[in-house]
Amino acid sequence: NAGVTQTPKFQVLKTGQSMTLQCAQDMNHEYMSWYRQDPGMGLRLIHYSVGAGITDQGEVPNGYNVSRSTTEDFPLRLLSAAPSQTSVYFCASNPTDVGSYNEQFFGPGTRLTVL
Amino acid sequence: GENVEQHPSTLSVQEGDSAVIKCTYSDSASNYFPWYKQELGKGPQLIIDIRSNVGEKKDQRIAVTLNKTAKHFSLHITETQPEDSAVYFCAPKNSGSARQLTFGSGTQLTVLP
Repeated sequence: NAGVTQTPKFQVLKTGQSMTLQCAQDMNHEYMSWYRQDPGMGLRLIHYSVGAGITDQGEVPNGYNVSRSTTEDFPLRLLSAAPSQTSVYFCASNPTDVGSYNEQFFGPGTRLTVL
Repeated sequence: GENVEQHPSTLSVQEGDSAVIKCTYSDSASNYFPWYKQELGKGPQLIIDIRSNVGEKKDQRIAVTLNKTAKHFSLHITETQPEDSAVYFCAPKNSGSARQLTFGSGTQLTVLP
């Protein structure tokens, strides 16, 4: 199993550009999440999905869109990039959540710079 | 929502010494207490976790202790080695909630040779 994969590894955007960060997992996990990591602030939840067709907002959702058309994929879209979105983005998955105790499996991250 | 505080933010120890990182949380419904380790350039990885019906759990050189009354839990690393150098995160959770993890702000551990 490849686990959780993310592309691209690095990306530089200009303010106002749009782009999609890709995330895929091959573990048949129901739950997938997107976090951003900024210095001194740990990881903050952007959006998450409890299954195909179902998404919900996390702590910092503004400026980001997600969709979940398949179990495997959970892309994160930046509609109009801003310098405040410069960060490292991590995708994660776990098999189930409610009523259970589950390890989250993280991808290697995408380092995004917005100029 | 969960308010999580982690201390210290940085910690330097000599190789072979012990390290302790503390995590304080606010949600009394939290019943799952994991610790994640993040090495440079990688995503976080679970290293140990504990459930609320257990006070302590050990796995070789690492251990986690839980004080539910005081709402804090700690990561203990004994006989530290250079490969323990990393950022460590706590992420307390209510397993009955669909909401994903709320992470502490992280502790940069440096093990000096």
